[in-house]
Amino acid sequence: DAKTTQPTSMDCAEGRAANLPCNHSTISGNEYVYWYRQIHSQGPQYIIHGLKNNETNEMASLIITEDRKSSTLILPHATLRDTAVYYCIAPLNTDKLIFGTGTRLQVFP
Amino acid sequence: DSGVTQTPKHLITATGQRVTLRCSPRSGDLSVYWYQQSLDQGLQFLIQYYNGEERAKGNILERFSAQQFPDLHSELNLSSLELGDSALYFCASSVGAGVPYEQYFGPGTRLTVT
Repeated sequence: DAKTTQPTSMDCAEGRAANLPCNHSTISGNEYVYWYRQIHSQGPQYIIHGLKNNETNEMASLIITEDRKSSTLILPHATLRDTAVYYCIAPLNTDKLIFGTGTRLQVFP
Repeated sequence: DSGVTQTPKHLITATGQRVTLRCSPRSGDLSVYWYQQSLDQGLQFLIQYYNGEERAKGNILERFSAQQFPDLHSELNLSSLELGDSALYFCASSVGAGVPYEQYFGPGTRLTVT
């Protein structure tokens, strides 16, 4: 798996965009970037994934740099319910996801 | 609601005992994954089954075993339980395997070994 590096924690005001960065400088050409989040002790929740192109779904947008060495997850209008640990994963083998320590996002009123 | 169900939600048992955790995947999903999350280890992949066959294995102890049945539900068996096995156990499912399919996680089973 490509090593991913994320900030330990971030804060965001409710209603503002939350931009969560991830560095994956060793990613190979066929490794996707996945984002999951875990709200306190609940099961992890899939958010989005991408290979080269930017992706958007109802939850978030994923911006991947042209060299694929980093990406940013964007929650366009953060709410208190978005407070969670966010994991960026670039698995070589999608059969076994390896979760690191992630970014703890705190959304405040 | 991910569509993945796990039973029981909570389990309290004593050291040396054996327990079985059950997982029902989302309708149509063929792959089932098991993960363990303890306070000091984070989320750890244990094992994956695809359409009844074991497909991938992580750091699963020999005291642990799993299987996937013809109706695609899966069970994780934990035996000779130790205090250190206390953790949240998550099951996830996906449509396929070996390609970029996203995994959907259940709510977990909290196991407490006393």
